[in-house]
Amino acid sequence: DGGITQSPKYLFRKEGQNVTLSCEQNLNHDAMYWYRQDPGQGLRLIYYSQIVNDFQKGDIAEGYSVSREKKESFPLTVTSAQKNPTAFYLCASSIQGTTGKNIQYFGAGTRLSVL
Amino acid sequence: GIQVEQSPPDLILQEGANSTLRCNFSDSVNNLQWFHQNPWGQLINLFYIPSGTKQNGRLSATTVATERYSLLYISSSQTTDSGVYFCAVDLINTDKLIFGTGTRLQVFP
Repeated sequence: DGGITQSPKYLFRKEGQNVTLSCEQNLNHDAMYWYRQDPGQGLRLIYYSQIVNDFQKGDIAEGYSVSREKKESFPLTVTSAQKNPTAFYLCASSIQGTTGKNIQYFGAGTRLSVL
Repeated sequence: GIQVEQSPPDLILQEGANSTLRCNFSDSVNNLQWFHQNPWGQLINLFYIPSGTKQNGRLSATTVATERYSLLYISSSQTTDSGVYFCAVDLINTDKLIFGTGTRLQVFP
């Protein structure tokens, strides 16, 4: 089935530890995005990538890092510099190209908690 | 930056009732999307609607871009409609979606 797969569903982080959240898509989409959602809140953009080997900071990039070595994959690392990482993390992808339509499709999310 | 505000913040309905959710945005946008986030957190696209009106079953949406608002109509609501509804706008000359504050809908049998 085509779609966006995020793993793991649940993740626990110890203090001082870096953790990596996986996001894979087989939709052949050009662009991929990472969002953070805190309880009862909307989504905030962490990082996005429009093309392989290129990515841009979103509104809350501090304490996070990403890579885009393959079109299908856009992993997010939550570093120890992120002091309040407990949140729900959502990955999305979109096909833009010449249509100019940024229609985003989302994975099921990863819930990160701090031990 | 652009402000995207949704109203009401919370809505409680009995099954079968109709409702209207509103999304106001403070600047010109390239497109607008409506999403439904189910109780497990999954976000589902409902409409891509930069302007005009679209319908999909019991749901329909209207965007009046010149007046900077969009409306989502839910008719004959069902318990499975429960969750949070977000609108998100895509600014002109950017690739970023700005999400609204959300409307939390609870539908009781």
